[in-house]
Amino acid sequence: GAVVSQHPSRVICKSGTSVKIECRSLDFQATTMFWYRQFPKQSLMLMATSNEGSKATYEQGVEKDKFLINHASLTLSTLTVTSAHPEDSSFYICSARGRPNGYTFGSGTRLTVV
Amino acid sequence: GDSVTQMEGPVTLSEEAFLTINCTYTATGYPSLFWYVQYPGEGLQLLLKATKADDKGSNKGFEATYRKETTSFHLEKGSVQVSDSAVYFCALGWGETGGGNKLTFGTGTQLKVEL
Repeated sequence: GAVVSQHPSRVICKSGTSVKIECRSLDFQATTMFWYRQFPKQSLMLMATSNEGSKATYEQGVEKDKFLINHASLTLSTLTVTSAHPEDSSFYICSARGRPNGYTFGSGTRLTVV
Repeated sequence: GDSVTQMEGPVTLSEEAFLTINCTYTATGYPSLFWYVQYPGEGLQLLLKATKADDKGSNKGFEATYRKETTSFHLEKGSVQVSDSAVYFCALGWGETGGGNKLTFGTGTQLKVEL
């Protein structure tokens, strides 16, 4: 079946540093990648949608300069949290869409900013 | 806009107990409905789906019926196991697989099954 590999699974970083999260579709081409954020005891909130080779479309309230998304190829998308602060601590998860598999989710990244 | 409401957790059950997790939705039109499961430390996995009214999705003993009249998609299982312990998300989307647009998720319900 379709697999999306997301790395790292956990990361702890110091406040002010940047963190890059990668999502790779292993056996299919992901035409669209969705990035979600999940706060404790809350639902997944869509942050942005990216199509290969295009700029990402951000949801209202999401700072595009803080959460940089790159989708340079059909198998790789990255989310970079720039100048991270403790309030950015969260669970980030990607979801890839490719034919005919529908949505395939990565395993998520637990980011802790100290 | 679209929204999904599901019962708050955590839900704690004994093994072999009957499970119901309620889910209702608000949308204009008739979306596709999904249940996703998130096991500890893992990403979301599609558990089951229904794409039109009165459809019943089923998988691994779990079932959910798309009820247009009550805008509901409640998840049920007749006999839960410890291995079913996870967080369950109800979601709606458009099209067979959710379409080209984002999925709208409920808040998730944590299920704990004890021996």
